[in-house]
Amino acid sequence: EDQVTQSPEALRLQEGESSSLNCSYTVSGLRGLFWYRQDPGKGPEFLFTLYSAGEEKEKERLKATLTKKESFLHITAPKPEDSATYLCAVRGRLDYKLSFGAGTTVTVRA
Amino acid sequence: ETGVTQSPTHLIKTRGQQVTLRCSSQSGHNTVSWYQQALGQGPQFIFQYYREEENGRGNFPPRFSGLQFPNYSSELNVNALELDDSALYLCATKLAGGYEQYFGPGTRLTVT
Repeated sequence: EDQVTQSPEALRLQEGESSSLNCSYTVSGLRGLFWYRQDPGKGPEFLFTLYSAGEEKEKERLKATLTKKESFLHITAPKPEDSATYLCAVRGRLDYKLSFGAGTTVTVRA
Repeated sequence: ETGVTQSPTHLIKTRGQQVTLRCSSQSGHNTVSWYQQALGQGPQFIFQYYREEENGRGNFPPRFSGLQFPNYSSELNVNALELDDSALYLCATKLAGGYEQYFGPGTRLTVT
């Protein structure tokens, strides 16, 4: 069964203080690793898809990278509006569902 | 915003009752999945519908059932509600052949 573990559970940052979130996974035949952002009480918002080791994607202050066992979401010079829960999910070769981690809740203080 | 809509936004039910949640898909997105998200956890896959048929199911009992309509909208039905069914219910849609799933805003279900 596909498994996703995210760390840390919570991250408190000062505005401008860069940091990284980790997503470790085990999956049978990776068909995609996905990052989502979720604000309280709302549905997840799609950020990135990564398909193979070595791939990188960027969007504003966020950069996602992928290895064969884990993915990192780097937040560069965060702003308070980057405060949210960031979810990582995988889709395996034999399956159609997304398997999610529990998320990392990021709080950025001004 | 994704264009995926869900109704109602919030719902309070009593244990043992039945509930129907609804999801409207984006244009061209013919696959819909439903997820349950308990507080502080990631979404858990319930099932997926494609061409009006269920083509994948997670570890949820048969009292969780669904429908997909010709316009790709969908319903999630839960019978014999239990307290543990209290959660945020999310639907997600995707294009046929695509991998990215786009989520709606969710329905918050509270069972008392």
